[in-house]
Amino acid sequence: EVRLVESEGGLIRPGGSLRLSCAASGFSFSTYSMNWVRQAPGKGLEWVSYISRTSTTTYYADSVKGRFTIYRDNAKNSLYLQMNSLRDEDTAVYYCARPYYQDSSGSPLDYWGQGTLLIVSS
Amino acid sequence: DIQMTQSPSSLSASVGDRVTITCRASQTITTYLNWYQQEPGKAPKLLMYATSNLHSGVPSRFSGSGSGTDFTLTISGLQREDSATYYCQQSYSPPFTFGQGTKLEIK
Repeated sequence: EVRLVESEGGLIRPGGSLRLSCAASGFSFSTYSMNWVRQAPGKGLEWVSYISRTSTTTYYADSVKGRFTIYRDNAKNSLYLQMNSLRDEDTAVYYCARPYYQDSSGSPLDYWGQGTLLIVSS
Repeated sequence: DIQMTQSPSSLSASVGDRVTITCRASQTITTYLNWYQQEPGKAPKLLMYATSNLHSGVPSRFSGSGSGTDFTLTISGLQREDSATYYCQQSYSPPFTFGQGTKLEIK
């Protein structure tokens, strides 16, 4: 069974940093690219970032470019999102998501974690 | 960036009805269009990919069509469990933007 489990979010002050992790199991993690998607409270889905299976290629939403870094450790079956210079508008539930096509950036997302809530507030 | 616009933002329909949700891209995305269903407090679920391909386990009352910039999701024979918010997403080029969502209520 495919499982994606995000680490706990939390309450962070504006300007602060946090690293989210996503533990993957039930599939060959190293053969899949991965994504982060977020959802602000009461709002729609926002795609955040993509990383290829070998970390060669990464993409970011304009809203997080230069502040967030996606990376992975295939030996630990883990995906990460390092978030710096956090802003109020980064408050959201963050989901890690696996693509349907193994190593394609242009892929629908067929498995999602349960999500973790990050609140950025003073 | 490609902007995705869904309509309507919300709708209310009865069990057995046929409903259609539309999604428009700001530029061509060929058929790189996906649909997700999200129930309150839950993670999204993939419904349809590449415009018209039903994801595994999704009932056949869901169908999709379109190409280029205009796409539709149709639910034929609405069921009570279809009450949810539906999102389109383009996977043509990064950033892989979502539509703003359509909230479907069952009367």
